[in-house]
Amino acid sequence: AQSVAQPEDQVNVAEGNPLTVKCTYSVSGNPYLFWYVQYPNRGLQFLLKYITGDNLVKGSYGFEAEFNKSQTSFHLKKPSALVSDSALYFCAVRDITSGAGSYQLTFGKGTKLSVIP
Amino acid sequence: NAGVTQTPKFRVLKTGQSMTLLCAQDMNHEYMYWYRQDPGMGLRLIHYSVGEGTTAKGEVPDGYNVSRLKKQNFLLGLESAAPSQTSVYFCASSYSPPNNEQFFGPGTRLTVL
Repeated sequence: AQSVAQPEDQVNVAEGNPLTVKCTYSVSGNPYLFWYVQYPNRGLQFLLKYITGDNLVKGSYGFEAEFNKSQTSFHLKKPSALVSDSALYFCAVRDITSGAGSYQLTFGKGTKLSVIP
Repeated sequence: NAGVTQTPKFRVLKTGQSMTLLCAQDMNHEYMYWYRQDPGMGLRLIHYSVGEGTTAKGEVPDGYNVSRLKKQNFLLGLESAAPSQTSVYFCASSYSPPNNEQFFGPGTRLTVL
């Protein structure tokens, strides 16, 4: 079985400060990891993904995420937060070694990011 | 290029009524998915399809049926709506998994009274 945990329901950060949204995962094999963002009353938008290779993944809107296999984490980061980054962020995982369940993407419960002017 | 579209955007049903949600994508994706989003629960997969004419159950399939008669369309049906099905429903599509990102529609907000 695969699972994702986002330990913080809400993260508050001042504009211009660095931000981190945490994600840990559990899979039996190797993971594919994704971050999505959801703005109010909108669908989810893809930010970035880790498949293999470099542990630091760069994505849209200046976001990046670091894959840490030993800590089973995939935290989302941005060096300088903008007010427009305020949204709901979802981490998701797929176990690449699973069989019939390999099509299923498991999402975390989401973290609400508020960037304070 | 409209991406993924969903109709309707909002709907209110009474318990026991039926309805169909329509999802359409113009990206020629093979895979399509239906999720429901509830507060504090994240997204949960209801059903998915790996190609035209195929469907499969996800994490929470009970009370829902789906059909994929055309590659670009994926329909979600509620035969007898229940208040527990009050939720926001999202459709998504992707190229073949496992490492391809999913593209999401804008959602349908359904209330069952």
